[in-house]
Amino acid sequence: DAGITQSPRHKVTETGTPVTLRCHQTENHRYMYWYRQDPGHGLRLIHYSYGVKDTDKGEVSDGYSVSRSKTEDFLLTLESATSSQTSVYFCAIGTGGSTDTQYFGPGTRLTVL
Amino acid sequence: AQSVTQPDIHITVSEGASLELRCNYSYGATPYLFWYVQSPGQGLQLLLKYFSGDTLVQGIKGFEAEFKRSQSSFNLRKPSVHWSDAAEYFCAVAPTGGGNKLTFGTGTQLKVEL
Repeated sequence: DAGITQSPRHKVTETGTPVTLRCHQTENHRYMYWYRQDPGHGLRLIHYSYGVKDTDKGEVSDGYSVSRSKTEDFLLTLESATSSQTSVYFCAIGTGGSTDTQYFGPGTRLTVL
Repeated sequence: AQSVTQPDIHITVSEGASLELRCNYSYGATPYLFWYVQSPGQGLQLLLKYFSGDTLVQGIKGFEAEFKRSQSSFNLRKPSVHWSDAAEYFCAVAPTGGGNKLTFGTGTQLKVEL
């Protein structure tokens, strides 16, 4: 299995509070991704990074920001959490080549009350 | 924009029976195609992938998938299902030449009856 860890694994928070989720990899892959998984929607891309300090938006980026100051860490921040952001969040990594394959972390279950 | 359809939300099969999970995609060219499996409370594990070449792709755990360009399909198959195969299965596509933007189907939940 790819060396990907996510923290925390579970979090309950209240509406309006800031939340930061962390993804850490030991594979030295260039690309890192954040997805959210909701019933009936599969996985949807929030943001991704193609190098240190290089990030771009995905399909559902509103209300989320990301940062990548080191190759191994990719942070997802909800500046002011809302109940619609209750979801399971997955981090993925990839080499980013023409035949890139993404490998997923174990996920973080976030509940916003 | 690319899209993926998994027509079956739930499928139930008996242990030892064969399995086929359907995946149809919409894309202007031949995309890159993937199947992932997710066990309860776990992340996604890659089963197999197709980039080019032989249209019958072998994966892990005895799974295979066949790319059919004429039908825009990439169906997943297994000849004999084991109880441990019960999980949710996701098909995903990426544009040719770059896998950065994976688009996932909504998943098929597989139940295996003993």
